[in-house]
Amino acid sequence: AQTVTQSQPEMSVQEAETVTLSCTYDTSESDYYLFWYKQPPSRQMILVIRQEAYKQQNATENRFSVNFQKAAKSFSLKISDSQLGDAAMYFCAYGEDTGNQFYFGTGTSLTVIP
Amino acid sequence: KAGVTQTPRYLIKTRGQQVTLSCSPISGHRSVSWYQQTPGQGLQFLFEYFSETQRNKGNFPGRFSGRQFSNSRSEMNVSTLELGDSALYLCASSRGLRTGTNYGYTFGSGTRLTVV
Repeated sequence: AQTVTQSQPEMSVQEAETVTLSCTYDTSESDYYLFWYKQPPSRQMILVIRQEAYKQQNATENRFSVNFQKAAKSFSLKISDSQLGDAAMYFCAYGEDTGNQFYFGTGTSLTVIP
Repeated sequence: KAGVTQTPRYLIKTRGQQVTLSCSPISGHRSVSWYQQTPGQGLQFLFEYFSETQRNKGNFPGRFSGRQFSNSRSEMNVSTLELGDSALYLCASSRGLRTGTNYGYTFGSGTRLTVV
């Protein structure tokens, strides 16, 4: 089975600074999707960014961008100009190209320091 | 477009009781998945329903069951509740198609179940 590993249980960043959250995964598939989800204290999981494995170009959504290294099976999330509202638990997830299986990491709790 | 709706938001039950949680997916989404989230175990996959059929199942005891209706709404049932069942139960919907693009899940706000 595919596994997703987030090795940083907690991270902190100063407001307006940049922070990178790490994620690695294991799969033998060549086509798949990767996601970062944010879960604020309100507890609703929100999709932050999505990457298609067959696309070499890194996905970007406003202040959020990823560094996708397919050969290394690495998928890190960079948050630029951090804001207080970015404080949340962030989950990395792997989604199969076929079927509807998703695999989640254990999450990284991000604190933003004013 | 309405999001994923989970009811109730909070629930307190006594050990040994049973509970039913409800989830209405986004219109057009045919797949509904359920997850249990606890501080110690993270997100754990319970099961997924697609077109009224259970398509995938996680490693949970038979006390946990679910079903999906023709309108894609899903219910999850836990019988003979144990203290360890206290958790946030998240429902997630997706198109669920086995071909085409995977756009990921849309999650509901969850049901916080407390077993006393």
